[in-house]
Amino acid sequence: EVQLLESGGGLVQPGGSLRLSCAASAFTFSNYALSWVRQAPGKGLEWVSAISSSGNRAYYADSVKGRFTISRDNSKNTLYLQMNSLRAEDTAIYYCARKLLGVGTDAAPVFDYWGQGALVTVSS
Amino acid sequence: EIVLTQSPGTLSSSPGERATLSCGASQSVSSSYLAWFQQKVGQAPRLLIYGASSRATGIPDRFSGSGSGTDFTLTISRLEPEDFAVYYCQQYGSSPVTFGQGTKVEIK
Repeated sequence: EVQLLESGGGLVQPGGSLRLSCAASAFTFSNYALSWVRQAPGKGLEWVSAISSSGNRAYYADSVKGRFTISRDNSKNTLYLQMNSLRAEDTAIYYCARKLLGVGTDAAPVFDYWGQGALVTVSS
Repeated sequence: EIVLTQSPGTLSSSPGERATLSCGASQSVSSSYLAWFQQKVGQAPRLLIYGASSRATGIPDRFSGSGSGTDFTLTISRLEPEDFAVYYCQQYGSSPVTFGQGTKVEIK
């Protein structure tokens, strides 16, 4: 069964940094584009960033551009999100999500599998 | 970016009833690249529908999607107890992808 398992969440002060990881299993990781999608407490869903299957192309929401960096290691079946200059409004559950193969584009994907999420809290 | 507006905000229905959820887009969604997700409390979203009307793998046929352009609908033909949840639409016709604010389907 396809699994995506996020880790690395926690409490960080405004202006701080955090790196999220997403470990994947039960599918050919290097064939799939992936994204990070977040959900503030009690709120809706917001796409954050996407990366192509090879890792050579990355895409970002305007709200995180210049502060967040998405990357992947296909040899380790792991997706990352480096988050710098964190703000209170970045507080959310961060999900990694797999792009549905053959539907949409890497920059505008639809998601067929999601992890259970990692909570990031930005507060002093 | 395309803004999606879902209605109603909350739908109160009983098991066995038909539920109709709407998603309106601020501009036309190209190629009907519109998806629907279900999210239960404490869980990740689950893909129900993509391409406006194609059911995802394993999704029961009581869920159906329709629409094009700027107006889309998710219909649940007969509500089962496990269908009470929040539903989101998402457009992937242009970047950035965007989601609606959600419709909560609650037990009347």
